[in-house]
Amino acid sequence: DAKTTQPPSMDCAEGRAANLPCNHSTISGNEYVYWYRQIHSQGPQYIIHGLKNNETNEMASLIITEDRKSSTLILPHATLRDTAVYYCIVRPRGGSARQLTFGSGTQLTVLP
Amino acid sequence: DSGVTQTPKHLITATGQRVTLRCSPRSGDLSVYWYQQSLDQGLQFLIQYYNGEERAKGNILERFSAQQFPDLHSELNLSSLELGDSALYFCASSPWEGQLASPLHFGNGTRLTVT
Repeated sequence: DAKTTQPPSMDCAEGRAANLPCNHSTISGNEYVYWYRQIHSQGPQYIIHGLKNNETNEMASLIITEDRKSSTLILPHATLRDTAVYYCIVRPRGGSARQLTFGSGTQLTVLP
Repeated sequence: DSGVTQTPKHLITATGQRVTLRCSPRSGDLSVYWYQQSLDQGLQFLIQYYNGEERAKGNILERFSAQQFPDLHSELNLSSLELGDSALYFCASSPWEGQLASPLHFGNGTRLTVT
């Protein structure tokens, strides 16, 4: 699986957009980008995933660059409850092994 | 609520003992995954089952084993427990393999404390 690089920590003011970057320069054509978050020892929560087009759901938007070497997760109006570790994961589309490989993630702290 | 149920929420036991953690996947999901998260290791993949068969193995110790039953629930058995086995154990599930891009959904884990 392609490796990802994320900043270890970021702060964001409450009510502002949180933009979390992820570098995945070795991604291959059949690999998806997934974002998860983990709020203090709870189970990881799925946020969004995409292949090459930008995606949006009720939680966030995912912007993937045209060359697919990086992406940005956008939380449009961050709240205190969005404070969590955010994981960017690259996962192949095919194959029998379907597990996710978690890195260190980005600790996002939303400040009041 | 992810729909994945894990029991028990907390477990305290002594070194050398054996415990069983249980996971019920989301309705309709055929794959179950087990992960371990200790303070210094992050989320580590242990093992995956699909429709009762082992599909992939990660960094699972020989003292640990798992199985998936015909009703699709799964159990993770940890034996000869050591202090270092204290961790959060998460289960996740995903649909059938034809839905290749489907995300994993995680339960809220079992916190195991070995004293």
